[in-house]
Formats: sequence, C-alpha cells, structure tokens
Amino acid sequence: DSGVTQTPKHLITATGQRVTLRCSPRSGDLSVYWYQQSLDQGLQFLIQYYNGEERAKGNILERFSAQQFPDLHSELNLSSLELGDSALYFCASSPRLAGDEQYFGPGTRLTVT
Amino acid sequence: AQSVAQPEDQVNVAEGNPLTVKCTYSVSGNPYLFWYVQYPNRGLQFLLKYITGDNLVKGSYGFEAEFNKSQTSFHLKKPSALVSDSALYFCAVRDVDSNYQLIWGAGTKLIIKP
Repeated sequence: DSGVTQTPKHLITATGQRVTLRCSPRSGDLSVYWYQQSLDQGLQFLIQYYNGEERAKGNILERFSAQQFPDLHSELNLSSLELGDSALYFCASSPRLAGDEQYFGPGTRLTVT
Repeated sequence: AQSVAQPEDQVNVAEGNPLTVKCTYSVSGNPYLFWYVQYPNRGLQFLLKYITGDNLVKGSYGFEAEFNKSQTSFHLKKPSALVSDSALYFCAVRDVDSNYQLIWGAGTKLIIKP
C-alpha cells in the first residue's frame, strides 16, 4: 500500500459527460501528479501541483482541469468526455517539488461509452 | 530535449535465468535515472534510482541496474528471474528543462515462464 488513495476505482459514463476523480496523497507529501495510462500501456503525464499551486503541465487537454486543495487532496476534472478518454488515471505523490520517487495510487479506470 | 527509450516492448525469460530490461537515455547534464514496476491492476511502484556514485544500483525485490555513461544506458537486471517478476517495467529520467518532471519510457512487459 503506497498510502495514496484514489476514488472511485471504476467509473462508467457516457460521451459528453463530466466526471471528477479524487486523490489523497501520502501524509506529508506536497506534490501531486496526475497521469493517464491508455490501453497500449503508455503513461502520459498530465499535470503536477505542489502545495496548492500548479507547477507543471504535460499533455493535458483543455477539456481537463485539476486543482489541489488546502488539505492537499487533488481533483482531476474531465469534461465533454470522448470515447478516447477511456483509460486508467493515476495519481501519484511525492514529498518534494522534484518528483523523483513518486508514490502511485491504485488508479481510477474510466470507461466512456 | 531529454528523452528515454525502452527498445523492447516485451521480454521473455525462463524462471531462474538472468533477466535484463533495457533503457537508454538522452539528457543534457548529469542524468537522474529511475526504474518503476507496475504489477497487473496496480499503480506503479518505485524500484531504484541512480543519482550519482556507483554505477551498479541495487533496488527492491533483488533488482539492480547498471548505469553506463558512455553507452547512455541504464539497464535493469536480476540474476535469477521469478515468475512473480512478471510485470510492466518503466524507465524514467528527470527532465531538468521542465521543472524536474520525470520523462517516462514506453514500458517493457516482462514475462517470466515457469
């Protein structure tokens, strides 16, 4: 158990809908990262927050947004969902800004129908 | 630009045999290199890292990795494979140009056959 929790574990929704994925980092970790893992196994970095502030952006679509709250939990919002958004979404946390050792949650499997 | 490559989509090894999962990198400056493992239906787990020092780095579950500066490689190794080592392995390098994010390889599926 990494200490990172993600909810929900599974999510099935329809195209055009909006969903929110939630992540609680390990106790004491200030950095939260969001990743998307597609069926072909590739891991795509989406965005990083550090102590409430956005610090780095990867290949995140404009339809996606995230935030980190004062208690350090984070939410990833996905809107106007398309079939291609079906994937595993992972949250990871680390104690520092430089995310060398990242601790991953179990992921949320999103299925868009 | 920094990059990392895992040239093999899949590696098959018989149980008890040594295994190697390959990783090459391209960075400006000194490389910070990492290996992570993903077991089925799980998130990634940190295995080991190279920052500086000895070229042979030891990590979790009996794995080690050899840093080779001249070949810009950081191959993951284990002397004797277990069936339970079957998983997806990711190599990563720290991106000094982009707020120290990790740049991830595409992953290598390791299959250990009994």
